[in-house]
Amino acid sequence: DTEVTQTPKHLVMGMTNKKSLKCEQHMGHRAMYWYKQKAKKPPELMFVYSYEKLSINESVPSRFSPECPNSSLLNLHLHALQPEDSALYLCASSVSGTGRGEKLFFGSGTQLSVL
Amino acid sequence: RKEVEQDPGPFNVPEGATVAFNCTYSNSASQSFFWYRQDCRKEPKLLMSVYSSGNEDGRFTAQLNRASQYISLLIRDSKLSDSATYLCVVNFPHPDDYKLSFGAGTTVTVRA
Repeated sequence: DTEVTQTPKHLVMGMTNKKSLKCEQHMGHRAMYWYKQKAKKPPELMFVYSYEKLSINESVPSRFSPECPNSSLLNLHLHALQPEDSALYLCASSVSGTGRGEKLFFGSGTQLSVL
Repeated sequence: RKEVEQDPGPFNVPEGATVAFNCTYSNSASQSFFWYRQDCRKEPKLLMSVYSSGNEDGRFTAQLNRASQYISLLIRDSKLSDSATYLCVVNFPHPDDYKLSFGAGTTVTVRA
């Protein structure tokens, strides 16, 4: 079982809706990540928080807004999404976010459908 | 050139067979290498790290060739449960540190 918990597991939203994805870990990791994965494609990095500060934003559109309230929690706020944003959204954590020899631990993901 | 490139597969092998595939990376400054496995509609899970001298974990053997900039994964005595997509993950220099980049994955199907 994964030690990174994501909610909800499935989400259907309209293009005018506002919703949030949540992620929680209790492994004491100080880095948390959001990835987006389309079917039959690899995960694409969206954001990295390291020690609760945004350290990487991969030029993600502003309709995706990350938030890291504390080192255990990571949210992704969604607003005015497009159908092409439908994908599996994966949260991950690692020890410190330096990317040096760090292993990623993934949550089970939120399958998002935008209608 | 893509940062990480993999044999796309699919590799379709009978139970008990050996299957091997590679992953090439573009940046000689990369220093961390991993194999993850992903089942359909599930999250990626770490299979093994790849060390300079090569390493083995049960039926799985990983090798690193820095000169040619590739890593490999060999699965011996394949089981039905080995059917999955195998993702190669490599780190790359990022302005302040490193970031991880995923290959597109190699699909392996083990048949009875």
